[in-house]
Amino acid sequence: RKEVEQDPGPFNVPEGATVAFNCTYSNSASQSFFWYRQDCRKEPKLLMSVYSSGNEDGRFTAQLNRASQYISLLIRDSKLSDSATYLCVVNGRSQGNLIFGKGTKLSVKP
Amino acid sequence: DAGVIQSPRHEVTEMGQEVTLRCKPISGHDYLFWYRQTMMRGLELLIYFNNNVPIDDSGMPEDRFSAKMPNASFSTLKIQPSEPRDSAVYFCASSPGLAGFTKNIQYFGAGTRLSVL
Repeated sequence: RKEVEQDPGPFNVPEGATVAFNCTYSNSASQSFFWYRQDCRKEPKLLMSVYSSGNEDGRFTAQLNRASQYISLLIRDSKLSDSATYLCVVNGRSQGNLIFGKGTKLSVKP
Repeated sequence: DAGVIQSPRHEVTEMGQEVTLRCKPISGHDYLFWYRQTMMRGLELLIYFNNNVPIDDSGMPEDRFSAKMPNASFSTLKIQPSEPRDSAVYFCASSPGLAGFTKNIQYFGAGTRLSVL
């Protein structure tokens, strides 16, 4: 089983749609979880951290299910500018190590 | 702050040549990370440093790869000799702390796109 697994997509959605991504991780001892965003030919940038109780940042909501070892990201009222690849990130087994999923590609169409 | 600065942005070289990638982390950040990204394998951690000392180099693919951090403001990743399968985007990132414990995030440089012919 891969350490962090994501559906690669692509997810093609119209503007205004709600879209959800899921991610599973294998290390039950992981303590830190993030979603990063990567635009085409750019570097990854932090979108949001994922807290145990779930958290929201504007149109974005992140949830963590420790029992099932999965993380979700919900984007409401999607915009053209949301088109990017979304990377699920979990801390690894060695101190300081972050494990990145391969990402889910989102394309928002007019 | 200018952020993490990497150079060169693009590098095209021939198989067998030495390649040196450079990184300047954000001032005050104690941790520096080198990653490689390919379509097949995604983003992989190669090595990371804490206060200029290499902590985990288990991701370095083989002896052809080496990394140094002679001071807090500069790091290099060297490939000698380079091979076509090394073609990838190499990212450097820095962090003020460990994301796993302090939730400090990693800030990435723009990357170096390496093509080995």
